[in-house]
Amino acid sequence: NAGVTQTPKFQVLKTGQSMTLQCAQDMNHNSMYWYRQDPGMGLRLIYYSASEGTTDKGEVPNGYNVSRLNKREFSLRLESAAPSQTSVYFCASSEQWVTGADTQYFGPGTRLTVL
Amino acid sequence: AQKVTQAQTEISVVEKEDVTLDCVYETRDTTYYLFWYKQPPSGELVFLIRRNSFDEQNEISGRYSWNFQKSTSSFNFTITASQVVDSAVYFCALRRGSGAGSYQLTFGKGTKLSVIP
Repeated sequence: NAGVTQTPKFQVLKTGQSMTLQCAQDMNHNSMYWYRQDPGMGLRLIYYSASEGTTDKGEVPNGYNVSRLNKREFSLRLESAAPSQTSVYFCASSEQWVTGADTQYFGPGTRLTVL
Repeated sequence: AQKVTQAQTEISVVEKEDVTLDCVYETRDTTYYLFWYKQPPSGELVFLIRRNSFDEQNEISGRYSWNFQKSTSSFNFTITASQVVDSAVYFCALRRGSGAGSYQLTFGKGTKLSVIP
């Protein structure tokens, strides 16, 4: 099992460009998440998908959109990148978020720089 | 509101020393879950442990141990006989047991541990 995979690993964008970060999991998990990590900070939730077909905003959703393409895949889109979106982006998945008991497993991260 | 405080920003120890990473949390819930994750220099986040609020038993896994004390709202992590491979940033996280926001992990800012050979 590969677990949670993310592409690309690194990306440099110019202000105003758009891009999509891809995430896939092979653990048959129902719930998926996108976080960002900024220097000296913990992770902050951008969007999550409790199950296939549903998505909801997290703590810092502005400037982002998401698509839950199917049970395995959850993408994050930056429509018009800004320097404030320079960050490391992590995708995670969990079996079912219905209670807080389930554990989130993380992908390797995408390091994004916006110039 | 949920909050996790990791007051130690950086810690350096010499190999084979024991080290404790502190985690203090705030929540009004009676049911909640606490987690520790490790982020090695390669950057990925590795799950270490999950604890629920009703289980205050300490846990030991090899050189790792966790001390959960509800009376002081702390969930501390001790590494015994540290090794260079333990060098990483360690995050403590909190999650509600149910209700609004229970999907979300609230992370502390992390403690960077450097183990010097």
